[in-house]
Amino acid sequence: EIVLTQSPGTLSLSPGERATLSCRASQSVSSSYLAWYQQKPGQAPRLLIYGASSRATGIPDRFSGSGSGTDFTLTISRLEPEDFAVYYCQQYGRSPWTFGQGTKVDVK
Amino acid sequence: EVQLVESGGGLVQPGGSLRLSCAASGFTFSSYNMNWVRQAPGKGLEWVSYISSSSSTIYYADSVKGRFTISRDNAKNSLYLQMNSLRDEDTAVYYCARGVTTLIVSLLHWGQGTLVTVSS
Repeated sequence: EIVLTQSPGTLSLSPGERATLSCRASQSVSSSYLAWYQQKPGQAPRLLIYGASSRATGIPDRFSGSGSGTDFTLTISRLEPEDFAVYYCQQYGRSPWTFGQGTKVDVK
Repeated sequence: EVQLVESGGGLVQPGGSLRLSCAASGFTFSSYNMNWVRQAPGKGLEWVSYISSSSSTIYYADSVKGRFTISRDNAKNSLYLQMNSLRDEDTAVYYCARGVTTLIVSLLHWGQGTLVTVSS
């Protein structure tokens, strides 16, 4: 099983700041099979990035994904009030598919 | 508009069984692979199971293998999860989810979830 470790656990930032979230895999993940999701309380997750760097439909360009192999990054260039949420990475290249434990981005 | 509506959740005793359903609409269900993902209260996301469009390929998380069975009825546009030998740790909101396209399987569309509570 590929274990995904996200860091930091919590990121405390102010609106307008840049957020950098990390996802590290225990084994190499094909870049085609790494996704990022955003989840707000009481809501289903929302797909942000798939294939490591492709934005899903309707996702603002302040969200970007990068990385390859075992190290992946989600960057939010300038935090908007609606971006404060929990973010998960997921690999779906090898069964069992796995999620990271999540990074909470909260208001400083 | 793509819609996924889960049902069948509820309270069940440890060792019991439950069958979840997911009714799909707004797209050609028979063309898409489908998934179940769960989230225990206050915890992160856990992928549970995957089924290909024709049911020819099925995967399970190790935590549910041998106890849960995923299936689908393309004629009824429905996805199912039969859960047997339920444990306390299976308590979670269960989501059904669909990929971006028939080839890109990252999870774009999600239902609202159905809560399963395993407790005596």
